[in-house]
Amino acid sequence: KQEVTQIPAALSVPEGENLVLNCSFTDSAIYNLQWFRQDPGKGLTSLLLIQSSQREQTSGRLNASLDKSSGRSTLYIAASQPGDSATYLCAPTGATNKLIFGTGTLLAVQP
Amino acid sequence: EAGVAQSPRYKIIEKRQSVAFWCNPISGHATLYWYQQILGQGPKLLIQFQNNGVVDDSQLPKDRFSAERLKGVDSTLKIQPAKLEDSAVYLCASSHLFLKTGTGGNYGYTFGSGTRLTVV
Repeated sequence: KQEVTQIPAALSVPEGENLVLNCSFTDSAIYNLQWFRQDPGKGLTSLLLIQSSQREQTSGRLNASLDKSSGRSTLYIAASQPGDSATYLCAPTGATNKLIFGTGTLLAVQP
Repeated sequence: EAGVAQSPRYKIIEKRQSVAFWCNPISGHATLYWYQQILGQGPKLLIQFQNNGVVDDSQLPKDRFSAERLKGVDSTLKIQPAKLEDSAVYLCASSHLFLKTGTGGNYGYTFGSGTRLTVV
C-alpha cells in the first residue's frame, strides 16, 4: 500500500528565500508524480507533473525532481514570494492513475 | 478551456439526512474522480470512473455512499444517511485518457473547487 510523507509539515520563510519541500513514498512502482498547490477553501491546482521516465520538470520558479528508486521527490521554489503561501501536496500515481496524497506542507512566505 | 464545475459550493445538513453533489468534468476528459478531503489531511480517492464504468471504488463506503456517471460525462455523488465524520470537502477531478501500460498520454489532473460539507 502506497504511503506518502511530506516534510516539513509547515514552513515559514522570509520573502526572497529559496526553499525545498520534500516528498517520500514507499512504493517505487509509480507511473508519474504530481505536485499540487492548495489555497485555503479552494481546490487543487496542478503545478508540475513528472513522468516516471523523467528526472525533473521545471515551470517558472518551480523545479521538481523525482528519484523513483529511492522513493523521493523534491519541489524547489526559487525566490519565494508572499503569493506562494499555500499548502503544497505531492501525489504519486500508480497504474490506474489514482493519486495518493501526502498530508502536505503548509508554506507561509513573510513579506 | 472551462474548468471542472462542482455544485453546490457549501452544504450543511443534519446527521442521518441525505445529500448529493454534482460534477461536470472538462470536455473530452474520459476519467473522472471523486476525492474526500478531511480537514488537515490530503485528499483520498473515493471512486474513479473511466467513461461511465467504475475503475476503482475500493475506498467508497458503499453502505452510505453512491456515485454514478451517466453517459460518461456528468457525475453525482450521494451520501445517505450522512454521519458526522462525513464532514469534509468533496473534490471532483478529471483527466485525459488512462492507459494500463502507463506509457504516453497526459495524465494531468484538473480539480474542481470542491463542495464543503458540514454534518451537524
